[in-house]
Amino acid sequence: GAGVSQSPRYKVAKRGQDVALRCDPISGHVSLFWYQQALGQGPEFLTYFQNEAQLDKSGLPSDRFFAERPEGSVSTLKIQRTQQEDSAVYLCASSFGTDSPLHFGNGTRLTVT
Amino acid sequence: DQQVKQNSPSLSVQEGRISILNCDYTNSMFDYFLWYKKYPAEGPTFLISISSIKDKNEDGRFTVFLNKSAKHLSLHIVPSQPGDSAVYFCAASGNAGNMLTFGGGTRLMVKP
Repeated sequence: GAGVSQSPRYKVAKRGQDVALRCDPISGHVSLFWYQQALGQGPEFLTYFQNEAQLDKSGLPSDRFFAERPEGSVSTLKIQRTQQEDSAVYLCASSFGTDSPLHFGNGTRLTVT
Repeated sequence: DQQVKQNSPSLSVQEGRISILNCDYTNSMFDYFLWYKKYPAEGPTFLISISSIKDKNEDGRFTVFLNKSAKHLSLHIVPSQPGDSAVYFCAASGNAGNMLTFGGGTRLMVKP
C-alpha cells in the first residue's frame, strides 16, 4: 500500500509487560513522528526522526518510552513496564520533509489492563 | 497549557448549509496551520493548510481563514455533506510540516 502502515492495530497488555509498536512510513519519507492520542483528545507529540536521527524526544512521557529508526525507514516505539495511563492510540506519521504535511497511519490502540 | 484550542467539542449542521469550525492559538511563533479530518478507527487525514503570510486558502468546498492579530483560524465547509461527518482537528507548527501541536478536535455531524 501507499500509506503509513502501523502494526498491530490493537494491543492488550497486562500492567508491567513490555510492548513494541511498529511503523512503516511512506517510501521516501524522511521525517517520521510518533503521537499519543488519549480518548477524546487531540494527538500529542512524542518524538521525531529525520532519517535515522532522533532529533526531538521531548514528548516522551517517561524513560519507559523508547523509539528507534535504525535504518531511516521502519520505526519502533517501545514501552517498558506498561502502566494503565499508557492506554491510548499511538499514531505514526511521516512526510517528505519540513515543507510537506504529515500523513498518518491508522494507529495502534493500546489497552493496559 | 493548551497552545491550540478548539472550544466547540461538537457541531451539528444541516446538509447543504455551511459548517464553520473554529480554532484559537496562543503561541505567536506558530506560522503554519493545518486542518485534519478523522473518521473512527482511522488516522487523521490532511485536509487543508495555510501559511501565516496568507489570510485565506481555498480548496473546493473547504476554505481556511487566518486572523493573525486575533490568533484565530476557522475552517468553512460549504455546502456541507453527510460524508463530512467526522472529527476535525486544528494543528499548528512553527515550521511547515514539522512537529504539530493539535487542538482537542470538534466532532461535526451533518444531518441529511
